[in-house]
Amino acid sequence: AQKITQTQPGMFVQEKEAVTLDCTYDTSDPSYGLFWYKQPSSGEMIFLIYQGSYDQQNATEGRYSLNFQKARKSANLVISASQLGDSAMYFCAMREDDSNYQLIWGAGTKLIIKP
Amino acid sequence: GAVVSQHPSWVICKSGTSVKIECRSLDFQATTMFWYRQFPKQSLMLMATSNEGSKATYEQGVEKDKFLINHASLTLSTLTVTSAHPEDSSFYICSATVAGGSYNEQFFGPGTRLTVL
Repeated sequence: AQKITQTQPGMFVQEKEAVTLDCTYDTSDPSYGLFWYKQPSSGEMIFLIYQGSYDQQNATEGRYSLNFQKARKSANLVISASQLGDSAMYFCAMREDDSNYQLIWGAGTKLIIKP
Repeated sequence: GAVVSQHPSWVICKSGTSVKIECRSLDFQATTMFWYRQFPKQSLMLMATSNEGSKATYEQGVEKDKFLINHASLTLSTLTVTSAHPEDSSFYICSATVAGGSYNEQFFGPGTRLTVL
């Protein structure tokens, strides 16, 4: 069974609209962390936001917020006021705390922002 | 802070030759470094995990003798693709992490695009 599922292979969104990228996960480890990374066409992986399994509040970083629903095992990324520069691949990843810092990756979502 | 460099950015080589890719943490000492491979339009595939001074731990299906990893210091890891063939053409990305960091997140290098003719 897949541990990280991103169900949206691609999305088109109008500039300035908000966008939600879905991510669900599966783990039996009570302590874990969830990450979102952005990969532009240049290939670099850019860390966006982190949510720990014990964090009480949803993480926020500027225009990025993480809608963490622990009972549903979902960690959706919300980008507010999208910009053309947000066009990229977005990956959700999970680290289980007994994993030697390894990340389990989702398949990614290609986001295209339309002017 | 937390900058990881990779060299070279891209390389074209002939089939049968070996290629070395360097991964450096520029402003921190990395507890652990990771090597990934990424095919077009796909996610990252972990190849191996390496800790300074010890042998790398390879993922299932990754040939140790073909993809040699040396983690000589807390700031440098190298991946050598030996006797490269066209099917080894791919985007190779390294990352580094430091124990006790804010989120223990992985910091990524910019990647190396390898083309084997």
